[in-house]
Amino acid sequence: QSVLTQPPSVSGAPGQRVTISCTGSSSNIGAGYDVHWYQQLPGTAPKLLIYGNSNRPSGVPDRFSGSKSGTSASLAISGLQAEDEADYYCQSYDSSLTGWVFGGGTKLTVL
Amino acid sequence: EVQVVESGGGLVQPGGSLRLSCAASGFTFSSYDMHWVRQATGKGLEWVSAIGTAGETYYPGSVKGRFTISRENAKNSLFLHMNSLRAGDTAVYYCARGGEAGSGSLDMDVWGKGTTVTVSS
Repeated sequence: QSVLTQPPSVSGAPGQRVTISCTGSSSNIGAGYDVHWYQQLPGTAPKLLIYGNSNRPSGVPDRFSGSKSGTSASLAISGLQAEDEADYYCQSYDSSLTGWVFGGGTKLTVL
Repeated sequence: EVQVVESGGGLVQPGGSLRLSCAASGFTFSSYDMHWVRQATGKGLEWVSAIGTAGETYYPGSVKGRFTISRENAKNSLFLHMNSLRAGDTAVYYCARGGEAGSGSLDMDVWGKGTTVTVSS
């Protein structure tokens, strides 16, 4: 049971837009800690996709966007492409646990 | 090029010990927090430990008292000493760069390819 809750899977057709939710609590996202998103392509290490709720590192396409509100955050992927098929993880910090926490991960399937 | 490279994984018996290493290059290692994150086969990411630039350490309850994170800034190296290993510790262990000192950033922006730890008799 992860501290941050994500849907196990989402899917969409090429060109469509999908969103992945990340729900936390008053000790992590709701406490004001930033949410970060990672993309893990099959057989590879995770890669930072979004940091500080909505910022993209250099090289990440603007098709990827992030937002945060209250105790939740969302990752949106527009103009879906086949190469976006991957696992996506949200991450924040939890003051009650005094540590970093991840969501359980969401598998994106491009139909 | 900014990178981190893990080593030291292997097969160890339950109750045994292992030391993982992470070699950092391309950045001022001493100025960054560092993390270990693990992933069991087919499972999600689990944060394992962190060490700050001043040497302060953090652990989740699942490994506290069994794992010890340390760093040797002069050698741009990060370590994870794992004791009393259990089958549930079997995973790929990733080294990841955290925030720069003073930035307040809590993300992990550089990841290694990981090293595999298998705990089995």
